[in-house]
Amino acid sequence: SQQGEEDPQALSIQEGENATMNCSYKTSINNLQWYRQNSGRGLVHLILIRSNEREKHSGRLRVTLDTSKKSSSLLITASRAADTASYFCATVLYNNNDMRFGAGTRLTVKP
Amino acid sequence: DAGVIQSPRHEVTEMGQEVTLRCKPISGHDYLFWYRQTMMRGLELLIYFNNNVPIDDSGMPEDRFSAKMPNASFSTLKIQPSEPRDSAVYFCASSFNRVNGYTFGSGTRLTVV
Repeated sequence: SQQGEEDPQALSIQEGENATMNCSYKTSINNLQWYRQNSGRGLVHLILIRSNEREKHSGRLRVTLDTSKKSSSLLITASRAADTASYFCATVLYNNNDMRFGAGTRLTVKP
Repeated sequence: DAGVIQSPRHEVTEMGQEVTLRCKPISGHDYLFWYRQTMMRGLELLIYFNNNVPIDDSGMPEDRFSAKMPNASFSTLKIQPSEPRDSAVYFCASSFNRVNGYTFGSGTRLTVV
């Protein structure tokens, strides 16, 4: 069963703009991860943020986590056409370490 | 390392036939996961192994599905008999542990007609 819910379901932006995707979840977590999936490919791990962290950066990626609101956001700055993909949040549950994936956000970056 | 390798990439079979999907995890990864992805249900965990031992198969939809891991470098997911509703993309993933990032294979797109 899915734990995280991404918002929006789909996002279309111009190259160079920033893209923000949100993830909400329901139960206590150990950590939260973001993955990218290009069409016809497997998921690729992007970044992990632990429950005691509030913000993390990796290149053009910035992830925030608000455990009081049970939500996270992924910001991709200066987007490129190659960033076009689906982005999934995954939560590792605190009670049993199960990893649950959300339904994903489909990002389209127009050149 | 070539990453997680799955075969075949595409499989088209007739209803009632047996289907076997294969996976080679990353060497040194102790955990192996099988997921199914559909538009309707998203990514579902079917089963996972730790050190070749099945730990949780509660996600396996029914007895038609079975998975094995005879050694640390090979796993299979078998569907017998296959049904049209089994059509999906099946992913294998491996990891050092359950809490850090998983490495996914490219998936097998299964179509049952």
